[in-house]
Amino acid sequence: EAQVTQNPRYLITVTGKKLTVTCSQNMNHEYMSWYRQDPGLGLRQIYYSMNVEVTDKGDVPEGYKVSRKEKRNFPLILESPSPNQTSLYFCASSSLSGRGFYEQYFGPGTRLTVT
Amino acid sequence: ELKVEQNPLFLSMQEGKNYTIYCNYSTTSDRLYWYRQDPGKSLESLFVLLSNGAVKQEGRLMASLDTKARLSTLHITAAVHDLSATYFCAVGTGANSKLTFGKGITLSVRP
Repeated sequence: EAQVTQNPRYLITVTGKKLTVTCSQNMNHEYMSWYRQDPGLGLRQIYYSMNVEVTDKGDVPEGYKVSRKEKRNFPLILESPSPNQTSLYFCASSSLSGRGFYEQYFGPGTRLTVT
Repeated sequence: ELKVEQNPLFLSMQEGKNYTIYCNYSTTSDRLYWYRQDPGKSLESLFVLLSNGAVKQEGRLMASLDTKARLSTLHITAAVHDLSATYFCAVGTGANSKLTFGKGITLSVRP
């Protein structure tokens, strides 16, 4: 089954304690990205990756790091989390479909609370 | 900077009635997506609109795209409770698959 998985699904942590949220896809997609969702703001892109070892900033990259060492994995790293990073995080992967557009697949989400 | 606006942000609908919600965007795009999100869940893809005048229908939902007006509409026919959710439009730009989302419209269907 084609899917994007994220772990953990829920995480409560304290300010400053480094954490990593993993994302994995089994569809051999080139393109992966991370979004955060906050009430009243919709989803905003944090980072994206066009392929292995190719990453770039999205609209709200401050306080986050990513890496893409393997095609299937795209972890999101918070080196020193702060309360304003409390949010719902979605990983997405996509590839150019045969119909000429990028079909996005979203993971189940990770709800992060930083106290 | 691309801006995507949805309005209204919240809509209380009466069962059985028809409604239309809107998505405006500020720069040229060749693809517009509609997603549905239930509380605590991920995003479910509803429609992808790729060209001016495109119309897609699925059940009680019909989406259309006017690229000249930079406007997409989502029409709801005879609303039912199962349609209660938050609906996002998102615009794709450039040669990659980045999406810029609107803030979402929360629909609530009452008896």
